[in-house]
Amino acid sequence: NAGVTQTPKFRVLKTGQSMTLLCAQDMNHEYMYWYRQDPGMGLRLIHYSVGEGTTAKGEVPDGYNVSRLKKQNFLLGLESAAPSQTSVYFCASSGGSHDNEQFFGPGTRLTVL
Amino acid sequence: EDQVTQSPEALRLQEGESSSLNCSYTVSGLRGLFWYRQDPGKGPEFLFTLYSAGEEKEKERLKATLTKKESFLHITAPKPEDSATYLCAVQAVGGGSNYKLTFGKGTLLTVNP
Repeated sequence: NAGVTQTPKFRVLKTGQSMTLLCAQDMNHEYMYWYRQDPGMGLRLIHYSVGEGTTAKGEVPDGYNVSRLKKQNFLLGLESAAPSQTSVYFCASSGGSHDNEQFFGPGTRLTVL
Repeated sequence: EDQVTQSPEALRLQEGESSSLNCSYTVSGLRGLFWYRQDPGKGPEFLFTLYSAGEEKEKERLKATLTKKESFLHITAPKPEDSATYLCAVQAVGGGSNYKLTFGKGTLLTVNP
């Protein structure tokens, strides 16, 4: 049981390049989330999904897109990377209404030059 | 808007020196308050969920308590392996916010041997 996994672990992009971060969970969770963590800012929600085929905006969605084509996967895309998107990105999943704790992946450290 | 404030930002203790971390929150209606532990370079690890004022939960040297305005994470006789950043988050009831967590910025705890 791997829990929540994220690919890749590290990435360096140039301004304007695009990339996709992959999150996978094997706990059959309905809900999945993407956060970014910056020094002095705490974890901030980018987008989330409450089920396969659904997505919704979080606190800081601009510059990002997401897709949830399969229940176990949640993809985060950057179409045109900017230096302000340099951050550590965490994916999380949770089971449902009475099972609220979110389980986090190990993170992806992204640097945009 | 939901808000979470954690204090102190950093705390340095000697091994065996008990102390408490504070999490003050403002939320329209509290569904749950969560404590996480985060080690450097890793994702947050779930510790506790508290649902109502007066509730307490314990795990090894950690004890979390909840009032209507704040939560405390008490650390009794800490060991160096308790060194980490401790994150507090709230989940509000109702509508589209039903699944989202709002995080504080965390308290960096260092326990010296």
